[in-house]
Amino acid sequence: AQSVTQLDSHVSVSEGTPVLLRCNYSSSYSPSLFWYVQHPNKGLQLLLKYTSAATLVKGINGFEAEFKKSETSFHLTKPSAHMSDAAEYFCVVRGTGSGGGADGLTFGKGTHLIIQP
Amino acid sequence: GAVVSQHPSWVICKSGTSVKIECRSLDFQATTMFWYRQFPKQSLMLMATSNEGSKATYEQGVEKDKFLINHASLTLSTLTVTSAHPEDSSFYICSASETGTTDTQYFGPGTRLTVL
Repeated sequence: AQSVTQLDSHVSVSEGTPVLLRCNYSSSYSPSLFWYVQHPNKGLQLLLKYTSAATLVKGINGFEAEFKKSETSFHLTKPSAHMSDAAEYFCVVRGTGSGGGADGLTFGKGTHLIIQP
Repeated sequence: GAVVSQHPSWVICKSGTSVKIECRSLDFQATTMFWYRQFPKQSLMLMATSNEGSKATYEQGVEKDKFLINHASLTLSTLTVTSAHPEDSSFYICSASETGTTDTQYFGPGTRLTVL
């Protein structure tokens, strides 16, 4: 079965400082991993995805993530936080392993990113 | 591009009634669509995978007879919550993948269902 664990339910940083959102995954095969962002009252937006190409993945809005197989991690980073980055972030792995389709997504519990002025 | 819409955006119904939610891919064809459920301040849980022209594939623990899914065209999937009860109140979100790939899913804005 596929699963992801987001290690922090809340992360608070000051504007202009780096952001680190942590995610560990478990997968019975080479995983496809994603980060999605959900702003209040808006739909989920794809930030970036890893699908077995380069291990360092660059996404939108200055975010990037590094796939580390040895650590089973896929942490999301950004060098300098902006107020508009305040939102809920989900680490996601493709597949559920619960008897359904193989392409559905399994979401982590989410990390609420707070940006302090 | 790659826009997914849902209708309605919110709905309130009485216990025992049925509610239909539509999910449309506006600018691409989607052989596969997915239905998720999100409880307040919680994560999304996949309910079922909807394939155009065939039966939906449900995740373990999801009642097929309660959550009816129809995917009659390449741009439309519907979720019908039958005999709704207050515990069915939730945020229902659909996603769609372009035909030929399920690599990226595009999400709709969600539908807030409240059952009184």
